[in-house]
Amino acid sequence: QVQLQESGPGLEKPSETLSLTCAVSGYSISSGYYWGWIRQPPGKGLEWIGSIFHRGNTYHNPSLKSRVTMSVDTSKNQFSLKLSSVTAADTAVYYCVRHVGYYDNWGQGTMVTVSS
Amino acid sequence: EIVMTQSPATLSVSPGERATLSCRASQSVSSNLAWYQQKPGQAPRLLIYGASTRATGIPARFSGSGSGTEFTLTISSLQSEDFAVYYCQQYNDWPPGTFGQGTKVEIK
Repeated sequence: QVQLQESGPGLEKPSETLSLTCAVSGYSISSGYYWGWIRQPPGKGLEWIGSIFHRGNTYHNPSLKSRVTMSVDTSKNQFSLKLSSVTAADTAVYYCVRHVGYYDNWGQGTMVTVSS
Repeated sequence: EIVMTQSPATLSVSPGERATLSCRASQSVSSNLAWYQQKPGQAPRLLIYGASTRATGIPARFSGSGSGTEFTLTISSLQSEDFAVYYCQQYNDWPPGTFGQGTKVEIK
C-alpha cells in the first residue's frame, strides 16, 4: 500500500521560501510515476503546483511564475517542494500526490500559513 | 488552459436517493477525466478515472460516464458517508490538468 506523508514548517513569513518534503512508503519512487504537489486554500478548490518525474524532469503551474523548485531523493524515497517569495495568498493545505495524469495516491496534507 | 465547470455548486439529496453531478470541459478532453471525493479535513480520494473506471475499492454505487466535453458522476443510492465535495479533473491537457470548482452534496 502506497503511503505519502508531508512534512515541513506550518508557518512561513512573507517573502520567505516555503519548503516541504514528502516521504513515500510502499513504492519506490525510482520505479516510475510522477510525484507532485497540490494545494487547497481554506474553503477553496484544488490547484496543481508542480510535478517531478522519477528521473528528475519537472513541470510546474505557469501561474506560479517560476517560484517553484522541485527535487527528488531516490535514496531516501522522498521528494521536495520549494516555493519562493510567499505571500498570504500561498496559505493553504499542501498535498503531495502520486499520479499518471489522475492522482491516485494522496498524502494527508499539511497546513501552511503565511503570516508575519 | 482547459476550464472545467461543475454543476450544480450544491446538491441537496436525501439518503437513499440518486445523485447526478455534472462536469463540463471548455474543449474536448476525450475520456481523460477523473472524479474525486473530499470529506471535511481529509485529502481527496480518487473515485473514477478514464471517465468511467472505478478506482480500487470504490463501491459500485459510484459510476461515471461521458466523453469529450460532457461528463456525469452518478451515485445510485446515497449513503451517509457519501455526503462530501466532489471534484472533476481533466488530464488530457497536462500540465496543468485542471480541476473543476467542486460540487457539494449535502443532506436534504
